[in-house]
Amino acid sequence: NAGVTQTPKFRVLKTGQSMTLLCAQDMNHEYMYWYRQDPGMGLRLIHYSVGEGTTAKGEVPDGYNVSRLKKQNFLLGLESAAPSQTSVYFCASSLPGQGSYGYTFGSGTRLTVV
Amino acid sequence: AQSVTQLDSQVPVFEEAPVELRCNYSSSVSVYLFWYVQYPNQGLQLLLKYLSGSTLVKGINGFEAEFNKSQTSFHLRKPSVHISDTAEYFCAVTDLNAGGTSYGKLTFGQGTILTVHP
Repeated sequence: NAGVTQTPKFRVLKTGQSMTLLCAQDMNHEYMYWYRQDPGMGLRLIHYSVGEGTTAKGEVPDGYNVSRLKKQNFLLGLESAAPSQTSVYFCASSLPGQGSYGYTFGSGTRLTVV
Repeated sequence: AQSVTQLDSQVPVFEEAPVELRCNYSSSVSVYLFWYVQYPNQGLQLLLKYLSGSTLVKGINGFEAEFNKSQTSFHLRKPSVHISDTAEYFCAVTDLNAGGTSYGKLTFGQGTILTVHP
């Protein structure tokens, strides 16, 4: 009963480095999302996907890219990390139609950019 | 576009006291409303949701919330809190456009940190 698994859980990057965050779900969910959480700002949507091979921009997409080559995986990439991208990143998934009925969240990735 | 405002960033309360966490939303269309809870160093868990029907919804751990369309509010309440309820609580909304294609995108409030003291 893994649900939504995020790797890595923690990472420290230097400014300008790149990295990829992996989100994997084993619930056959169609929809997947990447959010960032910052103190006092709640969670903000970065990108989302409504199915394999599709992605779309959310509220704060700049500086990030995503890919959904397989239904169960949703990757978030930072090509050139900046200190402003220091945050906790959460992946979530849901079913279509039931997409409004509540997400299943991963446990988060804490990223620090120095 | 929708938005969510949680009116209190921090709420301290003593154990066994009642608590209300306030949430207001704005949207030009019909909405679904949610409360999530985040315990320290964990992801978010769904506490309760309003989709339609009765405006009073009950969730896990003894929490309930009331949808008030005229006041565009969805306040969370618990009659008697426990130490274990200490966490951050998020109100969230998704709107329903004519085609029903919100794709489940949620807009979250800023969060309310509930601290229960012994």
